[in-house]
Amino acid sequence: NAGVMQNPRHLVRRRGQEARLRCSPMKGHSHVYWYRQLPEEGLKFMVYLQKENIIDESGMPKERFSAEFPKEGPSILRIQQVVRGDSAAYFCASTATGGTNEKLFFGSGTQLSVL
Amino acid sequence: QQQVKQSPQSLIVQKGGISIINCAYENTAFDYFPWYQQFPGKGPALLIAIRPDVSEKKEGRFTISFNKSAKQFSLHIMDSQPGDSATYFCAAGRGSTLGRLYFGRGTQLTVWP
Repeated sequence: NAGVMQNPRHLVRRRGQEARLRCSPMKGHSHVYWYRQLPEEGLKFMVYLQKENIIDESGMPKERFSAEFPKEGPSILRIQQVVRGDSAAYFCASTATGGTNEKLFFGSGTQLSVL
Repeated sequence: QQQVKQSPQSLIVQKGGISIINCAYENTAFDYFPWYQQFPGKGPALLIAIRPDVSEKKEGRFTISFNKSAKQFSLHIMDSQPGDSATYFCAAGRGSTLGRLYFGRGTQLTVWP
C-alpha cells in the first residue's frame, strides 16, 4: 500500500531552467495539495487540485508557477525560469475526498536546488 | 503574516521528561488544529489533532491542550524518548477545507538519552 509518491527526491537546476515535480497520490485519493517548505520555516500552502481541476491556487506565485492534475497520471508542479529563491523542499499531500474527518498524507518531498 | 505562531524554535529534553510546544493563532474561523511530526528527509506525518469542541485530547504519550478563549494550543509529550527527536509543526485550518493548513515554523526537539 504505497503512500504519496514524489519524484524526483532531489532536483538540481540552473537559473532560468524549468523544474517539473511529480506527485502520485495515495491509491484511491483524488485530492492533491502542494506545499513549499523554506529552510527554518513551516510549510506554506501553494495549490489544491482535484482531477482535472484547480480548486484553490491562492498560495501560488502569480508568475512562473503552474500545477495540473490530469485525468491520468501524476500531479505536476511546474516552475519555469527558476531563480535561486525557488530553492526549497516541495511537498505533496493527498486525501480521498477532502472531507472534514480525513487525514492529510504527505509525500517525502522533492528538494529543489537552484544553482 | 504568520497565521500560526509556534514556540520554542528548539527544545532539548532529557529522556523521560516532558516536552511542551506551544502555538497561538489569530483567525477565529479555524476549527481544526493538527500537530505533525517530521523526521529528516521525510514528509510531515500527522501525530494528533483536535477540534475546538474539546479542551484536551490524549493519544498515548501525546496530549493536545486547547484554550479557545486564548486562541492557544499546545502539545505535551510525556516520557519523552530519543526516538521522539524530530521537528514538530503545529497547524490550523478549517475542517471544510482540510488540506489548506497554516503551519507554524516548527520546533526542533532533541531528547537526550
